[in-house]
Amino acid sequence: KNQVEQSPQSLIILEGKNCTLQCNYTVSPFSNLRWYKQDTGRGPVSLTIMTFSENTKSNGRYTATLDADTKQSSLHITASQLSDSASYICVVSANGDYKLSFGAGTTVTVRA
Amino acid sequence: GAGVSQSPSNKVTEKGKDVELRCDPISGHTALYWYRQSLGQGLEFLIYFQGNSAPDKSGLPSDRFSAERTGGSVSTLTIQRTQQEDSAVYLCASSPEQIYGYTFGSGTRLTVV
Repeated sequence: KNQVEQSPQSLIILEGKNCTLQCNYTVSPFSNLRWYKQDTGRGPVSLTIMTFSENTKSNGRYTATLDADTKQSSLHITASQLSDSASYICVVSANGDYKLSFGAGTTVTVRA
Repeated sequence: GAGVSQSPSNKVTEKGKDVELRCDPISGHTALYWYRQSLGQGLEFLIYFQGNSAPDKSGLPSDRFSAERTGGSVSTLTIQRTQQEDSAVYLCASSPEQIYGYTFGSGTRLTVV
């Protein structure tokens, strides 16, 4: 069964600090991995998408990494801002399968 | 429209009542998905529409759930005889292709009391 596990479940950081979120998956055959940001009461918004051949991708202060051999990904948030408070969801797609596999998300709270 | 529009944004209903949730996808997107998001859980696939093909209904949790997509555009998710375990956020997404370019709506938060 295709699974996506995220850690930690939640974290609290001070404004201006960095943090890293983890995603491990068992989806196979791998097609692509995305990180989404979901603000409270909103739908998920795509931050990054990476295919098998990509091992890092940045979007502003967000940097995602992918190790397709170990089936791990991380999302690094640099110089966090209050607006980064949200749930971050790791989503993995298998080749030829339109049903994406979603992690349960990491809830990030940034405090002043 | 510019994005995926869902209505209502919030719905509170009594147990046993029927509800209809609406999704208006991005114009031209041929693929439309419904997902359910329960508290602390990952998104759960419900149903997938692609063009004029028969929909994939394999994720619908029971026969109380049904969905239609009229004219290849607007979709309605209907839940009959709602139960408290149906309480969740129902998200719709559309895409120009099967794999890339997912855009989510803001969801409908359903509360069954």
